Amino acid sequence: AQSVAQPEDQVNVAEGNPLTVKCTYSVSGNPYLFWYVQYPNRGLQFLLKYITGDNLVKGSYGFEAEFNKSQTSFHLKKPSALVSDSALYFCAVRDWGSARQLTFGSGTQLTVLP
Amino acid sequence: DVKVTQSSRYLVKRTGEKVFLECVQDMDHENMFWYRQDPGLGLRLIYFSYDVKMKEKGDIPEGYSVSREKKERFSLILESASTNQTSMYLCASSLGSNTIYFGEGSWLTVV
Repeated sequence: AQSVAQPEDQVNVAEGNPLTVKCTYSVSGNPYLFWYVQYPNRGLQFLLKYITGDNLVKGSYGFEAEFNKSQTSFHLKKPSALVSDSALYFCAVRDWGSARQLTFGSGTQLTVLP
Repeated sequence: DVKVTQSSRYLVKRTGEKVFLECVQDMDHENMFWYRQDPGLGLRLIYFSYDVKMKEKGDIPEGYSVSREKKERFSLILESASTNQTSMYLCASSLGSNTIYFGEGSWLTVV
């Protein structure tokens, strides 16, 4: 079975500071890893994904994520946070060899303070 | 751009009513999904479909059914709505094992 943990329900950061949203995963095989963002009363928007290759993945809106196989982590990062980055962030995983659906974490609410 | 359209954004239904949530995607994706989102629980998969007339149960199928008569359309059905089905419902689609794209969500309140 595959699973995802987002250990922080809430992350607060000052505008202009770097931000990190944490994610760890568990799969039986090789992982596909994803980050999505959700703004209030909206659906989920795709940010970035890791399939294979370079451990540092760059995505939309200046976000990036680092895949660490030994720590089974896929933390989302941004060098300089904006107030408009405030949203709910979801990490998700799919096992290469398993079914087609994603397993999501419980989400992390990011608040960027002006 | 991929577009996943959920026809109803906000619905209020009475306990015991039959409820249909409709979803259409325009990218010829073979896979379609229905998720339920509740605070603190993240997204939970209700059903998914990998082809017309094909479906598989997700993590929480009880109380729900689905229909996929055409490739672009995937319907979620609540046969007899209950108050514990008050939630946000998200439809999604994907091509193979690639990125899943979501609709804007349907807020259902059962009173």
